Amino acid sequence: GQSLEQPSEVTAVEGAIVQINCTYQTSGFYGLSWYQQHDGGAPTFLSYNGLDGLEETGRFSSFLSRSDSYGYLLLQELQMKDSASYFCAANNQGGKLIFGQGTELSVKP
Amino acid sequence: SQTIHQWPATLVQPVGSPLSLECTVEGTSNPNLYWYRQAAGRGLQLLFYSVGIGQISSEVPQNLSASRPQDRQFILSSKKLLLSDSGFYLCAWRGPPVGEQFFGPGTRLTVL
Repeated sequence: GQSLEQPSEVTAVEGAIVQINCTYQTSGFYGLSWYQQHDGGAPTFLSYNGLDGLEETGRFSSFLSRSDSYGYLLLQELQMKDSASYFCAANNQGGKLIFGQGTELSVKP
Repeated sequence: SQTIHQWPATLVQPVGSPLSLECTVEGTSNPNLYWYRQAAGRGLQLLFYSVGIGQISSEVPQNLSASRPQDRQFILSSKKLLLSDSGFYLCAWRGPPVGEQFFGPGTRLTVL
C-alpha cells in the first residue's frame, strides 16, 4: 500500500528552527508537497519538490531525497502564527495527493 | 483569479438520510477536481477525482458517489448516510504550478 510517515507533534519556541520529517512508500511517485492547515481551516500549499534537493520559499524550505524516500520541511524564525498542522503529500499520476497523517506544530513564546 | 466554492459550510444529518455537497470553481477551465475527506485529527483521504465532465475515478470504495455534470462543478452524494461518513469534506482543483492543489473552504458533516 501507499503510506507516508511523519511525527504526530512537534513543539518549539518563537524564533527557533524546526524540521518536520516525512518518509514515504508509494508507487507512481512524482514529487512531495507540503501543506499547512490551521484549526478549522482548509489546507494551504507551502512547497513542492519534484527533484532531489532543497527548495526555499521565504522562511520555509523543503528537501527531497528520492533514493531515501525521504523529505523534510524546515521552518525558520518561528512565529506564533506558525502553530498549525503540517502535512506531507505524495504526488501521483493524475495529480492525486496521498497525505500523511499530519504533524501538529506548537510554537511557544 | 481562481476561486473554489463549497456549500454548505456545516451540515448535521441523521443516519440514513441522503447527502449532496456541491463544489464549483471559477476562473479556470477544464480543471482536475478532487474530493477529500478528513477525519478529526487525521490526514486527508482522497475519495474521488475527475479530469473532465462525466469522468469520475473512485479511490476508496464506500458509501459515497461523485458526479461532474459541468466543467466547473463537482458533486459528492450519498443515498443513505452512515455514522462513519462524518468528517470534513474538502474539494480541490489542481493548479498549473506543479504539485499544488487549491482547496475550498470545506463542509463539516456530522451524522447523528
